[in-house]
Amino acid sequence: EPEVTQTPSHQVTQMGQEVILRCVPISNHLYFYWYRQILGQKVEFLVSFYNNEISEKSEIFDDQFSVERPDGSNFTLKIRSTKLEDSAMYFCAGGTSGYRNEQFFGPGTRLTVL
Amino acid sequence: TQLLEQSPQFLSIQEGENLTVYCNSSSVFSSLQWYRQEPGEGPVLLVTVVTGGEVKKLKRLTFQFGDARKDSSLHITAAQTGDTGLYLCAGGGYGTASKLTFGTGTRLQVTL
Repeated sequence: EPEVTQTPSHQVTQMGQEVILRCVPISNHLYFYWYRQILGQKVEFLVSFYNNEISEKSEIFDDQFSVERPDGSNFTLKIRSTKLEDSAMYFCAGGTSGYRNEQFFGPGTRLTVL
Repeated sequence: TQLLEQSPQFLSIQEGENLTVYCNSSSVFSSLQWYRQEPGEGPVLLVTVVTGGEVKKLKRLTFQFGDARKDSSLHITAAQTGDTGLYLCAGGGYGTASKLTFGTGTRLQVTL
């Protein structure tokens, strides 16, 4: 059964550095999402992406964040200048359907900002 | 702001017992999904309900969407140790590529 994959599984970076988190969604998915989960807290929406553009973004998704689907298979989240509070699990998700809104999540990337 | 509150937050029961987890909101959702999440892993989709009053069964798990599409419940019959985990409800909005709003989670521990 196809799965969403994410790399790296764990990224450690220094504050102020840029990071790129990568995701390979399931091939027939059309809608793509990034969520994050700070340790011990609930899963929070960051951004949704459809038809090669951002559909919706949360207040968390400020100018330091960007998303891209450069080659039709990879889906990336870039944080330009990481802060300590960006430390979290970042999950990529994808889906095919509009009204059912079923989203299938990847295993996540644990980002640690020192 | 849409909020989903789950109760209880923690539940520790013995194998064979039944339990119900609740997911409540003041907002209406187009769909309601239940996920299970293991430590350090991504949420795994268990079920999606989209119609008010809908009931879905997955072996020993029964999911119900409230008539007004603001709340949901997950009932587990004869819990097993393998049911141990974090259960999350998530409400879907309307429109293309709509986000999911996640609940606060219920951590279930089933012991022998």
